Order: sequence, then structure tokens, then C-alpha cells
Amino acid sequence: AQSVSQHNHHVILSEAASLELGCNYSYGGTVNLFWYVQYPGQHLQLLLKYFSGDPLVKGIKGFEAEFIKSKFSFNLRKPSVQWSDTAEYFCAVNAIGGFQKLVFGTGTRLLVSP
Amino acid sequence: NAGVTQTPKFQVLKTGQSMTLQCAQDMNHEYMSWYRQDPGMGLRLIHYSVGAGITDQGEVPNGYNVSRSTTEDFPLRLLSAAPSQTSVYFCASSYSGTGLFFGQGTRLTVV
Repeated sequence: AQSVSQHNHHVILSEAASLELGCNYSYGGTVNLFWYVQYPGQHLQLLLKYFSGDPLVKGIKGFEAEFIKSKFSFNLRKPSVQWSDTAEYFCAVNAIGGFQKLVFGTGTRLLVSP
Repeated sequence: NAGVTQTPKFQVLKTGQSMTLQCAQDMNHEYMSWYRQDPGMGLRLIHYSVGAGITDQGEVPNGYNVSRSTTEDFPLRLLSAAPSQTSVYFCASSYSGTGLFFGQGTRLTVV
């Protein structure tokens, strides 16, 4: 069975600081990888996804993630965070062909102080 | 462009009551799914569907039923509500090659 680990449960940063959120997954086959963001009181929105090709994926709002297959990792990065990035971030994975069966990590709460 | 619409947004049930959470999507997506979100546990898959007439269980299906009579609708039924089912429920739809599109969620409290 697939599983996803997000190592940082809570992260506090000042505006303009750089961000890196860790995500590791366990699955022996080919996977699709996702990062979702949930702003306070809202539903989850897709930040970026990796299906194949260039392992460095760029998403919305200046976020990017790098897939490192040998490390089973898909870390999320942003060079300079803003107060509006305060949210909860979820990494997710699904096996190829299982588009509707995502397995989510437990999430990382990011607080950006002005 | 409504996307995925869930009703109701909030619901309080007494233990033992039954109810149906509604979910509708207007994007003609073939895949639909239900997740529950609990603090510190992320989202867990309850049931999913790969098309009209086809459903299957996810990670935490006990106490829930689903049906998919049309492409658009995917209701989730709680058969006999229990306090352990207090959660936020999200419906999502997807199409091959996309990520999940989520509804706004239903916050359910069982007392």
C-alpha cells in the first residue's frame, strides 16, 4: 500500500524567507505526485503535479517541487514566502491509473508572519 | 462554472440518525470520490467511483454507502451516525490526466 510522510507538521516563517516542505512516499511502482494547498476555511486546491518528464515542476503562485526518484521524495519549495501563503499544505500520491485514489500526507501548517 | 458542489455545508446529527451528503459536478468528470479530513490525519478516502454505476471502497468505508446513478452526482450516505464520524467531508472529481477538483466541504458533527 502507498503511504506519504510529511515531516514538518508546523512551520513558522517570516515574510521573504525561503520555504521547503518535505514529502516522502513509499510505493514500488510508478506514481503521480501532487501538492495541494488549503487556505483557512477553504477547500483543497491543486498547487502542482508531477506525472512524468522534467522532475522539476512549477506550479501556481511561485511554488515548485522536485521529484527525486532515488529518494522517493517530492519536496515543495518557494524562494520567498508571503503572508498570504499561510495555509496547510498536503502532499499526495497515486499509483498510475488510480487517479481517483489519492493517498494524502498528514499535512504541514505554514504560518507566515508579516 | 460551478465545479464540484456539496450540500449541506454544515450539519449536526444525533447518534443513530441517517443522512445523505450531496455532491454534484458539472465538468463531465468520470472519476468521483469522497474523503474525510480529520485533524492530524490528512484526508482519507472513503469511497470512489470510476463511472456511472461503478463504485468501490476506499481506506475507511465502514458506516458509509455510495451510489453513482449519473455522471454528475455522487451522494454519500451515513447509515447510522456515530460520534466517530464527526469530520469534514470533501467530495472530489477528476479526469484522467488531472488532479482532483474538490468541493467546499461539509462539516458534520455527530452528538
